[in-house]
Amino acid sequence: VQLLESGGGLAQPGGSLRLSCAASGFTFSSYAMAWVRQAPGKGLEWVSLITNTGDRTYYADSVKGRFTISRDNSKNTLFLQMSSLTADDTAVYYCANSVTRIWFDPWGQGTQVTVSS
Amino acid sequence: EIVLTQSPGTLSLSPGERATLSCRASQSVSSSYLAWYQQKPGQAPRLLISFTSTRATGVPDRFSGSGSGTDFTLTISRLEPEDFAVYYCQQYGGSRWSFGQGTKVEIK
Repeated sequence: VQLLESGGGLAQPGGSLRLSCAASGFTFSSYAMAWVRQAPGKGLEWVSLITNTGDRTYYADSVKGRFTISRDNSKNTLFLQMSSLTADDTAVYYCANSVTRIWFDPWGQGTQVTVSS
Repeated sequence: EIVLTQSPGTLSLSPGERATLSCRASQSVSSSYLAWYQQKPGQAPRLLISFTSTRATGVPDRFSGSGSGTDFTLTISRLEPEDFAVYYCQQYGGSRWSFGQGTKVEIK
């Protein structure tokens, strides 16, 4: 199983970024997927989860209305569209498989998002 | 939203010692919905335990989980050098997922 995030980088406050997570080694379309972030020197924060078919999505209050999770099962890829970014969104963003929709396993290596002017 | 509080914040121990990490929830959590993760510097988190007490594949049996309701514990029976890391508990409830703030297990 491999999860490879990309799309991170430097964004301006109020700007947008789109993260991707390429999955391999398992039947991507069978499982829910999630994004979890970690601000510098801080703990883990669940951000969003999407069911295997994409018919249901869930968001942390801190990102609701600003972030959109989606997936393309034909390309084994998970996305996180982030907009109206603030400095508080600065973090490493991990994608993770969520077979049971209860916990997260395994995780990708993460992609750094920095929001700064 | 269920808040998880981990204690202590930092645990200073020597290899071979026993580590006891606590995770307390602001309201009752189903034992089916409590997990523990290990994170080493510069690495992604790794699932250690799910269902409160079920070790993930490849996790040594010196790691054990227990608890119910609002109080959960991760125990490392004899610390090995590779066990010094940060540990997080995580719960699921009401279509929300949350993590504790973490306990750092450091070498004394």
